[in-house]
Amino acid sequence: DVKVTQSSRYLVKRTGEKVFLECVQDMDHENMFWYRQDPGLGLRLIYFSYDVKMKEKGDIPEGYSVSREKKERFSLILESASTNQTSMYLCASSSQSWEQYFGPGTRLTVT
Amino acid sequence: SQKIEQNSEALNIQEGKTATLTCNYTNYSPAYLQWYRQDPGRGPVFLLLIRENEKEKRKERLKVTFDTTLKQSLFHITASQPADSATYLCALGFSGGYNKLIFGAGTRLAVHP
Repeated sequence: DVKVTQSSRYLVKRTGEKVFLECVQDMDHENMFWYRQDPGLGLRLIYFSYDVKMKEKGDIPEGYSVSREKKERFSLILESASTNQTSMYLCASSSQSWEQYFGPGTRLTVT
Repeated sequence: SQKIEQNSEALNIQEGKTATLTCNYTNYSPAYLQWYRQDPGRGPVFLLLIRENEKEKRKERLKVTFDTTLKQSLFHITASQPADSATYLCALGFSGGYNKLIFGAGTRLAVHP
């Protein structure tokens, strides 16, 4: 079974803090993705990576950066957290078979 | 503008009936379309994929159709059960796109005993 894990289920941070969200997959997948999910808006792609050290912007990259130093690990960084970044963050991975495997999500609250 | 739309209102049906969920899109040319199930507080789980040259796909009680002329996919759950209650997301995929997907906002399905 493919397993995608995320470092925290719930996180509370203060405005201006630097926030790290970690995602690890155990199936040697090439592609990894970070989404945020907000009510009524669905999943929106923040960044994705198709190989180690390779990354591309998604639809809403502003205020975020990513890092992929190892194939199994993809990190999302909020350089200076703001209240409008309060959301559910979902990580996913995929190989060439097209379907994406999601982690359980991190519910981030920025106060 | 580009849009992918799913019924925002929840769909309430009686156990044993067929649930039909709709996914419409505009100004996209997807190579394939996927359906996911999402339970509260959890990540989406992949259900089915249908390619642009396929009209219909089945898996157990699930059936998906894909009409590229109408720019619409229908997702059917036959003999629905309360355990099928969840939010269902459709997602468009594109050739050469590193498996990048564009997701709809989802439709919540509630199956009542």
